[in-house]
Amino acid sequence: GAGVSQSPRYKVTKRGQDVALRCDPISGHVSLYWYRQALGQGPEFLTYFNYEAQQDKSGLPNDRFSAERPEGSISTLTIQRTEQRDSAMYRCASSLEEGVGGTDTQYFGPGTRLTVL
Amino acid sequence: AQSVAQPEDQVNVAEGNPLTVKCTYSVSGNPYLFWYVQYPNRGLQFLLKYITGDNLVKGSYGFEAEFNKSQTSFHLKKPSALVSDSALYFCAVRPLDSNYQLIWGAGTKLIIKP
Repeated sequence: GAGVSQSPRYKVTKRGQDVALRCDPISGHVSLYWYRQALGQGPEFLTYFNYEAQQDKSGLPNDRFSAERPEGSISTLTIQRTEQRDSAMYRCASSLEEGVGGTDTQYFGPGTRLTVL
Repeated sequence: AQSVAQPEDQVNVAEGNPLTVKCTYSVSGNPYLFWYVQYPNRGLQFLLKYITGDNLVKGSYGFEAEFNKSQTSFHLKKPSALVSDSALYFCAVRPLDSNYQLIWGAGTKLIIKP
């Protein structure tokens, strides 16, 4: 594909419901990242995958948040028992490969706007 | 603590005039530096990055950025602004001890007036 895609673009849910957000990275990209972005702020790191391995989940705010990338391509970020404070833009990014001296560029998808009522 | 500062919440420029969006950082060592742009209802788009070499980096849409090591700055510039440049701009920094973690500024809203 031409770029990173995310679905759904908008999600409105009721407090207490579970939601699953999907990210389809650029074809061939090894690394995948999830971010959360509040209005008027820069992205906040959530988690990072290298192929199917979740290398860093230090940014996940609590155990209601989880992510997977079972085949090293598409990734799903799941939020269980959603709360109003989870409302935000959730962004996914991918990069060609891990490391390379840290010069690799992250390319972002359009994001999923989550609203918890 | 490591941080990135974009001191201006908003920058207003008349079309055709040069523009500058400021970014300074507080990170140990010589990090890698990035600029991204966010248009309404669209994702963050990569503009340019500085890794090493020439302090002036050229990127997409006629933008460039100048790395200044002594001032720990990486200001984004364009010689002649277009109305279509109006967007939200983010500076991001990757410390050398991280091969993927980015530290982000809060963003600067750029408004180009006809």
